[in-house]
Amino acid sequence: EAQVTQNPRYLITVTGKKLTVTCSQNMNHEYMSWYRQDPGLGLRQIYYSMNVEVTDKGDVPEGYKVSRKEKRNFPLILESPSPNQTSLYFCASSWRTGTYNEQFFGPGTRLTVL
Amino acid sequence: SQQGEEDPQALSIQEGENATMNCSYKTSINNLQWYRQNSGRGLVHLILIRSNEREKHSGRLRVTLDTSKKSSSLLITASRAADTASYFCATAIQGAQKLVFGQGTRLTINP
Repeated sequence: EAQVTQNPRYLITVTGKKLTVTCSQNMNHEYMSWYRQDPGLGLRQIYYSMNVEVTDKGDVPEGYKVSRKEKRNFPLILESPSPNQTSLYFCASSWRTGTYNEQFFGPGTRLTVL
Repeated sequence: SQQGEEDPQALSIQEGENATMNCSYKTSINNLQWYRQNSGRGLVHLILIRSNEREKHSGRLRVTLDTSKKSSSLLITASRAADTASYFCATAIQGAQKLVFGQGTRLTINP
């Protein structure tokens, strides 16, 4: 089944404790991106990647890192999480032309930073 | 302010009625996409309309795009209880790999 998977689905952590949220897709998509969803703000793009070893900042990249060493994986790294990063995070993927095509979303990761 | 703004923020109708949601945006776009989200879950793509298209249909969905007014509408006909969800418009900014989402319309279909 074609899908985007994220792990973990739920995470409660404390301020400053490094964490990684994994994202993997099995559709051979070149384009992958991360969003966060907050009440009243919709979804905002954090980072995106057009292909392996190519990443770029979205609208809200502060406090986040990403890497794209393999085509299928696009982990989101929070080196020192803070409470304002408490949010619902979504990974998405698409074909080579990125946002010019439909996006396939993962199920989401609900992160709470205490 | 947001690139995509949706109206209304919430809509409650009876099953069988039609639901219309509107989206306005500010900058030039390559396409506009509509997504559905069931409570707290992942987004599901519904329909994509390119900037050179004016109307598109998919099953019970009809999307229009007016680039001169920078607005789009999503019509769901003959609504069903399963259509209860939040609906988001997302604009693909021209010349950039950026998809900007609106705040969404919360649609409730009453049996």
